[in-house]
Amino acid sequence: NAGVTQTPKFRILKIGQSMTLQCTQDMNHNYMYWYRQDPGMGLKLIYYSVGAGITDKGEVPNGYNVSRSTTEDFPLRLELAAPSQTSVYFCASSRRAQNTEAFFGQGTRLTVV
Amino acid sequence: AQTVTQSQPEMSVQEAETVTLSCTYDTSESDYYLFWYKQPPSRQMILVIRQEAYKQQNATENRFSVNFQKAAKSFSLKISDSQLGDAAMYFCAYRSAPYNNNDMRFGAGTRLTVKP
Repeated sequence: NAGVTQTPKFRILKIGQSMTLQCTQDMNHNYMYWYRQDPGMGLKLIYYSVGAGITDKGEVPNGYNVSRSTTEDFPLRLELAAPSQTSVYFCASSRRAQNTEAFFGQGTRLTVV
Repeated sequence: AQTVTQSQPEMSVQEAETVTLSCTYDTSESDYYLFWYKQPPSRQMILVIRQEAYKQQNATENRFSVNFQKAAKSFSLKISDSQLGDAAMYFCAYRSAPYNNNDMRFGAGTRLTVKP
């Protein structure tokens, strides 16, 4: 059982480049989330989705886009990368039930230079 | 929007002793869940314990227990008989009810060091 899989694990981008962070889960979870974790800081919610075709902004959505065409996949798109987007990105998923925890991927360390 | 505050960036405890990590949150909701997650150097997020807001009884999982004070909006984590493997970042998290977006917000974290 793979759980939540993120790719790539590491990436260096130049300012102005674009990229997509991939996230897939095999637990048939309705809810999926993208967080960023800056050094020594907590997780900030970027976007989340409650099901295929539905996405909502979190705390820090600027500079990012998401889509949810299937239950399994929730890619995060960075357009025109900026140094402020240097961070570790985590994808997570959970069942709809409120009492269930989120399951996290291993994270993607992104550096924008 | 709900906010979660962890006022202790770093804490230290002697092996076998007890330590308490603080967490407060701000919400106008009455129905929510609270969680503590552990993040070791591997970066993997691991659930430690969860608490339902409607339950007055504090949750307990082996050496981990919480002190949930709903009126004060406080949710502290107590680690008893601390072990070297407990060293990690600890995050407090708040989850809204499904009818209130059901998103999950995290605090800034507390780095716990365990001294042998």
